[in-house]
Amino acid sequence: EAGVAQSPRYKIIEKRQSVAFWCNPISGHATLYWYQQILGQGPKLLIQFQNNGVVDDSQLPKDRFSAERLKGVDSTLKIQPAKLEDSAVYLCASSQGTAVYGYTFGSGTRLTVV
Amino acid sequence: AQSVAQPEDQVNVAEGNPLTVKCTYSVSGNPYLFWYVQYPNRGLQFLLKYITGDNLVKGSYGFEAEFNKSQTSFHLKKPSALVSDSALYFCAVRDLYTGGFKTIFGAGTRLFVKA
Repeated sequence: EAGVAQSPRYKIIEKRQSVAFWCNPISGHATLYWYQQILGQGPKLLIQFQNNGVVDDSQLPKDRFSAERLKGVDSTLKIQPAKLEDSAVYLCASSQGTAVYGYTFGSGTRLTVV
Repeated sequence: AQSVAQPEDQVNVAEGNPLTVKCTYSVSGNPYLFWYVQYPNRGLQFLLKYITGDNLVKGSYGFEAEFNKSQTSFHLKKPSALVSDSALYFCAVRDLYTGGFKTIFGAGTRLFVKA
């Protein structure tokens, strides 16, 4: 089966600019996650979708980050405006939606804010 | 509140020797536990999980993990390390709550296998 697709792979922007990341999960996976992985740290959950509804966005900095999953398939994560501390790898993952399944991760988008 | 700890930033082992990557956890209920591996410039790959049943679970690439409830640990093991096992390993714990579940990841342990 095809994996989780993410684009772009790399992005360099100046602080205060905006940026958007795209994710296409594995077909049929109801649950989609966006994680932020800062260098030297483990992934931190930003937002979790179940189909097109938000399940958990408690750690999403909502003053600058937004995410949507229209039609319950693809998802976009946006940062506006970006700060230096947003430099990280943004990982998208999907799963079949119940607690017993592991996640399938995309390759991530490496964001550098200068 | 749930938490997961990987006490070692780095583990070094010689090829052919057994390896152990440590993980301890804290959850309010029964834990669902996972191990993932991350190779350079790649996303995380699922290795194995413990949900219920036998304390020793087997996963991909010859890895296994032992669940120890009394010590709240879920250490990753492999009887004979390969150079290609060198990567970053993450332990994750999933806590169930009403209406859903939340997974958190440890900070990761870098494994170096020397030829």
